[in-house]
Amino acid sequence: ETGVTQTPRHLVMGMTNKKSLKCEQHLGHNAMYWYKQSAKKPLELMFVYSLEERVENNSVPSRFSPECPNSSHLFLHLHTLQPEDSALYLCASSQVPDSYGYTFGSGTRLTVV
Amino acid sequence: RKEVEQDPGPFNVPEGATVAFNCTYSNSASQSFFWYRQDCRKEPKLLMSVYSSGNEDGRFTAQLNRASQYISLLIRDSKLSDSATYLCVVNRGVVAGGYNKLIFGAGTRLAVHP
Repeated sequence: ETGVTQTPRHLVMGMTNKKSLKCEQHLGHNAMYWYKQSAKKPLELMFVYSLEERVENNSVPSRFSPECPNSSHLFLHLHTLQPEDSALYLCASSQVPDSYGYTFGSGTRLTVV
Repeated sequence: RKEVEQDPGPFNVPEGATVAFNCTYSNSASQSFFWYRQDCRKEPKLLMSVYSSGNEDGRFTAQLNRASQYISLLIRDSKLSDSATYLCVVNRGVVAGGYNKLIFGAGTRLAVHP
């Protein structure tokens, strides 16, 4: 495996379900990010982990809960979501403090029914 | 005002055309700049970095004007496969938390037709 991998690629869940999105990076990076992209909208930064510490939480509702057990893995735990949470969830990684940009995973397309 | 502004398009151009996208940014302390490409329902991918002297990669030329806080991307001899959304990205630098904060524009959509 190379780059940044996300699973699952697609997820349909009911509003009362609990599910988790997984991200793994194989680039040796030390920062990881969760972004949300709704249809025809720009990327919205949700969470940032740098050196395994959460350093940014952009007013994200508590029904989204991130977890970063080590520098290669990032999870997004989901519970009691709303239909408006349906979107593409993208994970990215980078090497701090370098400024070579972020590498994105292919995303999880989430539909809340 | 958004920190990174782009014309959303769409730009509809025939194959072989030359097309230019512009982007402005508001934070004069921004340190580095990128263009990303995002295909429909896919993740953004780094297209090229943008350097002060301007840089070229095949049919793609990126320019930066720090005085005017303006970035451009020129695509020559457009191909059908160039159809995508092009995101202008500004690196604000290392922020509290110790990571490089990238600010993404909303993107400019390009549709190349036969």
